Amino acid sequence: AQSVTQPDIHITVSEGASLELRCNYSYGATPYLFWYVQSPGQGLQLLLKYFSGDTLVQGIKGFEAEFKRSQSSFNLRKPSVHWSDAAEYFCAVGAPLSGNTPLVFGKGTRLSVIA
Amino acid sequence: GAVVSQHPSRVICKSGTSVKIECRSLDFQATTMFWYRQFPKQSLMLMATSNEGSKATYEQGVEKDKFLINHASLTLSTLTVTSAHPEDSSFYICSATGGGASPSSSYEQYFGPGTRLTVT
Repeated sequence: AQSVTQPDIHITVSEGASLELRCNYSYGATPYLFWYVQSPGQGLQLLLKYFSGDTLVQGIKGFEAEFKRSQSSFNLRKPSVHWSDAAEYFCAVGAPLSGNTPLVFGKGTRLSVIA
Repeated sequence: GAVVSQHPSRVICKSGTSVKIECRSLDFQATTMFWYRQFPKQSLMLMATSNEGSKATYEQGVEKDKFLINHASLTLSTLTVTSAHPEDSSFYICSATGGGASPSSSYEQYFGPGTRLTVT
């Protein structure tokens, strides 16, 4: 079964600084990978996804993520963080060989942005 | 993009009563819907998977007689919390997949905004 690890529970960055949120997955083949963002009291919004092809994927709000098979990672990056980016970020993995199964989510990383 | 709605967004009910939460796909047909529960500052916990026209598949530890799921149409799934108790207070989120033509489309989950349930 697949699993997802987000090693950082909470990260604080200054506004305008760069950001990298880590995500490692466990799956026997190439998985489908996702990053979602959740603001307090809200549902999840899809930032970006990787299915195949170019390993650097661009998403909304200036986010990007890079799939590195050798490291089983799918880290999320943003070159310059805005105060509105403060939220909870979830990495998720889907198993292409397992049919229509639900995504498996990491425990999330809370991002705080300071002035 | 695909939109999923949930109703109500917030509900407060008395202990022992039942509460129904609706999840609707507004602009696509959802072959599969998922129900999640989220405790404060925690990740999403999958409760059940619901396919249109068939019985829901519940995750281990989730009481199917307490959390009744109905997926009667391709655009609507409901979660009914029966005989609710304070420990059922939580944030409930649904998601839906469209089961489109591409192999990856069934993995594109679209999430509703969530329902905050408070049982007093």
